[in-house]
Amino acid sequence: KAGVTQTPRYLIKTRGQQVTLSCSPISGHRSVSWYQQTPGQGLQFLFEYFSETQRNKGNFPGRFSGRQFSNSRSEMNVSTLELGDSALYLCASSLPGTSSRETQYFGPGTRLLVL
Amino acid sequence: LAKTTQPISMDSYEGQEVNITCSHNNIATNDYITWYQQFPSQGPRFIIQGYKTKVTNEVASLFIPADRKSSTLSLPRVSLSDTAVYYCLVGEVNNDMRFGAGTRLTVKP
Repeated sequence: KAGVTQTPRYLIKTRGQQVTLSCSPISGHRSVSWYQQTPGQGLQFLFEYFSETQRNKGNFPGRFSGRQFSNSRSEMNVSTLELGDSALYLCASSLPGTSSRETQYFGPGTRLLVL
Repeated sequence: LAKTTQPISMDSYEGQEVNITCSHNNIATNDYITWYQQFPSQGPRFIIQGYKTKVTNEVASLFIPADRKSSTLSLPRVSLSDTAVYYCLVGEVNNDMRFGAGTRLTVKP
């Protein structure tokens, strides 16, 4: 099975712009979660989507949004970019269960640099 | 999500066994314990998962005492390629999910 794929892998934007990142989960996985990773804050949960609905949301401002399509692919959008948004954005997919037994499989991430 | 505490860093030498302990005092009855490995600029990779006692796979062992308030990841005979950050995660995805700082393992020749 192909793993989780994320596009693009690298991105450079300037302050005030917006960006859209894409994630394709492992075939059969219906849950997609997004994380932001920075050296100072570590790996922080952004949101989780399941069956095209946001099921959980982390403590991030409304500039961060996402959606999931009927084929389980997901996108996240960041509007009005700030320098502090520079980070590695990771997507993870898992099977539909809500149990903590459902292992998350991570993609390689999108490295975003905001200038 | 149960809060976890791990050592910030550990050093080891090639060929040694490494044990990384994670404390999770408020683990819930139905929580599983999962360990991930992360290399720089890559996504975390699943290593092992367990609920109680001992679990072993081809890369690691996971020891969980009866009270489940801690767990120990054991890496046998580490090599330089095992240098990475290791995260202990307890519970399921929810609003407050955070991986924490993890344990930075450095394997020396």
